Amino acid sequence: GAVVSQHPSRVICKSGTSVKIECRSLDFQATTMFWYRQFPKQSLMLMATSNEGSKATYEQGVEKDKFLINHASLTLSTLTVTSAHPEDSSFYICSATPASGQGAPNNEQFFGPGTRLTVL
Amino acid sequence: AQRVTQPEKLLSVFKGAPVELKCNYSYSGSPELFWYVQYSRQRLQLLLRHISRESIKGFTADLNKGETSFHLKKPFAQEEDSAMYYCALPSGGYNKLIFGAGTRLAVHP
Repeated sequence: GAVVSQHPSRVICKSGTSVKIECRSLDFQATTMFWYRQFPKQSLMLMATSNEGSKATYEQGVEKDKFLINHASLTLSTLTVTSAHPEDSSFYICSATPASGQGAPNNEQFFGPGTRLTVL
Repeated sequence: AQRVTQPEKLLSVFKGAPVELKCNYSYSGSPELFWYVQYSRQRLQLLLRHISRESIKGFTADLNKGETSFHLKKPFAQEEDSAMYYCALPSGGYNKLIFGAGTRLAVHP
């Protein structure tokens, strides 16, 4: 149980275009989803916290107009990289925490497989 | 401010040798610490959390509040233990986690 999927797994786009990445909790409801960015051979950097039905909370230094997050349901959060540039190329990872009463500690994060974005 | 430090980027050992991956933290209050593991080409997954005090895949970690450490240990490393290991600490609301830089464990035959 507690599977998180991401789509697409990899995407290549031209500079200036926008890219949407989906994060889904497949077998549980997630009140909170998190978006991370991981550079090669580096740790995960938290970008934002996404709560269902409310605005995302962005970490310091992360441009909210650049990285649009929508958490429209308890099983889906999307990250849209707007007007992507080569420096946005990275590995984007989402995670989700189960809502209370679903059999898992509600502070445990379950991670998606990641999406590799390459901006040409 | 909360901080997690993993001082070693790479730990290289031979099969059967003991392993200790270091993690130090900075946190006001009683922290709940985690170890996550990422095997090659797989997603990040929880290895263990200090409050459960269990041993997973032979790994244990003890919270030492005096030394503000949560080192991960295994008495006899196996080749399948080769992976990236991340120590993590809650930060702020909504159960956010901050991760250490990670340590790559390489177990050689």
